[in-house]
Amino acid sequence: AQSVTQLGSHVSVSEGALVLLRCNYSSSVPPYLFWYVQYPNQGLQLLLKYTSAATLVKGINGFEAEFKKSETSFHLTKPSAHMSDAAEYFCAVSDSAGRRALTFGSGTRLQVQP
Amino acid sequence: DTAVSQTPKYLVTQMGNDKSIKCEQNLGHDTMYWYKQDSKKFLKIMFSYNNKELIINETVPNRFSPKSPDKAHLNLHINSLELGDSAVYFCASSQSVSTDTQYFGPGTRLTVL
Repeated sequence: AQSVTQLGSHVSVSEGALVLLRCNYSSSVPPYLFWYVQYPNQGLQLLLKYTSAATLVKGINGFEAEFKKSETSFHLTKPSAHMSDAAEYFCAVSDSAGRRALTFGSGTRLQVQP
Repeated sequence: DTAVSQTPKYLVTQMGNDKSIKCEQNLGHDTMYWYKQDSKKFLKIMFSYNNKELIINETVPNRFSPKSPDKAHLNLHINSLELGDSAVYFCASSQSVSTDTQYFGPGTRLTVL
């Protein structure tokens, strides 16, 4: 069984500040890990994914995440927040050899203050 | 062109009614999914079809019945709607059952009164 824990349901940063959204996973097999972003009243858009290649993954809009097996973590970062980054962010896991349905975390709402 | 589209975008209905949500993808993908997002934003898999065959069926009430007339379409029919069915339903697709990236539709917000 797989699970995802996102620490912090709300994160608030100032524009230009570092963004750090935390994600820890549990998986009995090597995981595939994803970050999705959901803007208000919209669907989910893939930001980045880890599929057992490089552990530091770069995504769209300046986001990146690092897979740390020893910490079972896949935290999302961005060096400098923009107002347009305000959204809901979801971490998700699927198993690399199975049915591939995504198991999502509970989401983190990012607020960016001017 | 929208890659994964859903209709309708909003659906308001009374308890006890039967309703359908349609999903279409023009990506040529083999695998499609339905997810439910509840009022607390929690997303959970409901069903998955691969080449019109059901491959995932989570613990969903049998009032929910997916139908895939062809691999580009996955519709969701819900019988005897209940208040607890109010949610946003997302359709997604992936190239194949062994492909990792899923592409999501814009969602259908279902409100049961």
